[in-house]
Amino acid sequence: DGGITQSPKYLFRKEGQNVTLSCEQNLNHDAMYWYRQDPGQGLRLIYYSQIVNDFQKGDIAEGYSVSREKKESFPLTVTSAQKNPTAFYLCASSIGVLAGEQETPYFGPGTRLLVL
Amino acid sequence: GQQLNQSPQSMFIQEGEDVSMNCTSSSIFNTWLWYKQDPGEGPVLLIALYKAGELTSNGRLTAQFGITRKDSFLNISASIPSDVGIYFCAGQPWTGANNLFFGTGTRLTVIP
Repeated sequence: DGGITQSPKYLFRKEGQNVTLSCEQNLNHDAMYWYRQDPGQGLRLIYYSQIVNDFQKGDIAEGYSVSREKKESFPLTVTSAQKNPTAFYLCASSIGVLAGEQETPYFGPGTRLLVL
Repeated sequence: GQQLNQSPQSMFIQEGEDVSMNCTSSSIFNTWLWYKQDPGEGPVLLIALYKAGELTSNGRLTAQFGITRKDSFLNISASIPSDVGIYFCAGQPWTGANNLFFGTGTRLTVIP
C-alpha cells in the first residue's frame, strides 16, 4: 500500500537528550514536511524539503534539525536546544512544485513526543 | 506567518443536522484544503479546491473556494456520529510557496 509511515507512535525524551523521529513515504513524492501540533492550535511548519539534499526552515525551526539523503525519508531530530518539545509531530509529503501540479500534502499518522 | 481565522472553534450538534464552518485569511490564497483529524491520528484530506468560485462535493461534504480568494467554507449534511473530530482548513499563498497555513480547527461533536 502507498502511504506515509511515522515511527515510533510514542516517544519519550529525557532532559538533555536528542531524539529522532522517522518519516518514510513510498508515494514517490518530491516534497516532504514536518509540522508540530499543540493542543488547541493549528499545525506549525518546522522544516520542509522540496527535493533530495535540500531543505528549508519553516516557522519554528529552532531546536530541530532534519536531513534528506533519500527521496523516501525525511527524519526529524529534536535536539536538547528545544526547550518545550512535548507535542504531536506530523510528517507530510506532496508531489512537489517541480511536477507542475498543485501542492496537496498528505499526512502520516503522527508521533507523540513526551518529556520525562 | 499568515493568519487563518477558522470558525466556529467548536460545535455540538444533533445527529442528522447540517453543519457549516468557514475559514478566512488576510491575504489571497490559490489553494484551499479541508482536512479531518481523529484523536491521536494524522489529518486526512477531505476536499481540495484550486480555483476561485469552485464548489466541490465529496459525499455529504461540500466545500467552496471564495470568489475573493480569501475565504472558504465546508458544509456537512445529515451529520452522523463518525463525523466527530477536528476539521482544519489550510490555505496556500498566491506566491506558490509549497507550504500551507492552517486554521486552528473546528471541533465537531455529534450527539446521537
